[in-house]
Amino acid sequence: EPEVTQTPSHQVTQMGQEVILRCVPISNHLYFYWYRQILGQKVEFLVSFYNNEISEKSEIFDDQFSVERPDGSNFTLKIRSTKLEDSAMYFCASSGHHPQDNEQFFGPGTRLTVL
Amino acid sequence: AQSVTQLGSHVSVSEGALVLLRCNYSSSVPPYLFWYVQYPNQGLQLLLKYTSAATLVKGINGFEAEFKKSETSFHLTKPSAHMSDAAEYFCAVSLIRGNKLVFGAGTILRVKS
Repeated sequence: EPEVTQTPSHQVTQMGQEVILRCVPISNHLYFYWYRQILGQKVEFLVSFYNNEISEKSEIFDDQFSVERPDGSNFTLKIRSTKLEDSAMYFCASSGHHPQDNEQFFGPGTRLTVL
Repeated sequence: AQSVTQLGSHVSVSEGALVLLRCNYSSSVPPYLFWYVQYPNQGLQLLLKYTSAATLVKGINGFEAEFKKSETSFHLTKPSAHMSDAAEYFCAVSLIRGNKLVFGAGTILRVKS
């Protein structure tokens, strides 16, 4: 069964450093998303991406964040200068191309720890 | 804007008892509704979804949920709890295809033997 994959599973970085979180969505899916979950809190939407551009972003997704689909298979989230409060689990998701299909498939997540 | 409220951050049931996890939503247009389950240190797995077809939706692992427009609710039930059901459950809403999911705060289900 096709699945969304994410690498790395755990990333530790120093405050101020840049990190890139990688995702491989399900092939032939058209919509891609990043969410984050700070420990003990709810899952929060960061950004959605369709047709090679951002379709929606939340207030959390400020100038330090960017997304890219560099090669038609990977979908990346870059955090330019990490802060302590960026420590969280980051989930990538994708959804399909059928008009009635709104189900988002989630990857296993990347746990980001900023020291 | 859409929102989701899950009543009860923790629910404890005995093995074999009924599971009822509550979810109420707020939406200006007919929503798509979802229940996801998260086991410790794992990602989110879809249990079931409502997309304007039948109001009673059956999902995996014996779970089901009923969409009640008049009550703006989408409660999750399972007739008989199993130890393996212990996890955190999230209700979520979206409006259209490609739209973000808005999650509730989650309910941690504990199953006692």
